Amino acid sequence: TQLLEQSPQFLSIQEGENLTVYCNSSSVFSSLQWYRQEPGEGPVLLVTVVTGGEVKKLKRLTFQFGDARKDSSLHITAAQPGDTGLYLCAGETYAGNMLTFGGGTRLMVKP
Amino acid sequence: NADVMQNPRHLVRRRGQEARLRCSPMKGHSHVYWYRQLPEEGLKFMVYLQKENIIDESGMPKERFSAEFPKEGPSILRIQQVVRGDSAAYFCASSPLGGSTDTQYFGPGTRLTVL
Repeated sequence: TQLLEQSPQFLSIQEGENLTVYCNSSSVFSSLQWYRQEPGEGPVLLVTVVTGGEVKKLKRLTFQFGDARKDSSLHITAAQPGDTGLYLCAGETYAGNMLTFGGGTRLMVKP
Repeated sequence: NADVMQNPRHLVRRRGQEARLRCSPMKGHSHVYWYRQLPEEGLKFMVYLQKENIIDESGMPKERFSAEFPKEGPSILRIQQVVRGDSAAYFCASSPLGGSTDTQYFGPGTRLTVL
């Protein structure tokens, strides 16, 4: 069973601060996806990382896939209240097509 | 993700009734996945289907749950004789190719409440 440990579970910060969310596993993933989920809605894809060591930037969000393809991080610079939400990492293995999700990080950015 | 359609968005059933959840994938996508999100928990994989075929149902409970993706029409997740523990949000996702690096796009979910 592949497990994705996501940390922290909860994060409350002030507007303008930086933060990093971590996603770790003992398993190797062929790809890793980051989603954001609003209450009452489905997960919305932010990014897919495929190559070990890959770094992708999406405005103030920076995503990194570990060299060994077992871990990933999401860094948000100068967080804004609009960044508030549930952030989910999800990994896909070479063996199967299902996504294994982390437990999520609930982020609250206070103005 | 509005292109992945799910209906109904909310479904209320009494214990013992049947629940039918529908998912229409994005245009051009022939791979459908169902996930369940229990309250305060992460999403858990249930089943992966292609048109007319169940590819992987390793996450599906052995009893009362079934899924299909017919040649024509939406994918259906069917729960027979629902119990209170079935109350959850059920999400479907679709992808174009089904490969191990293929991105899955999620629908808005169906929130099932069992009274």
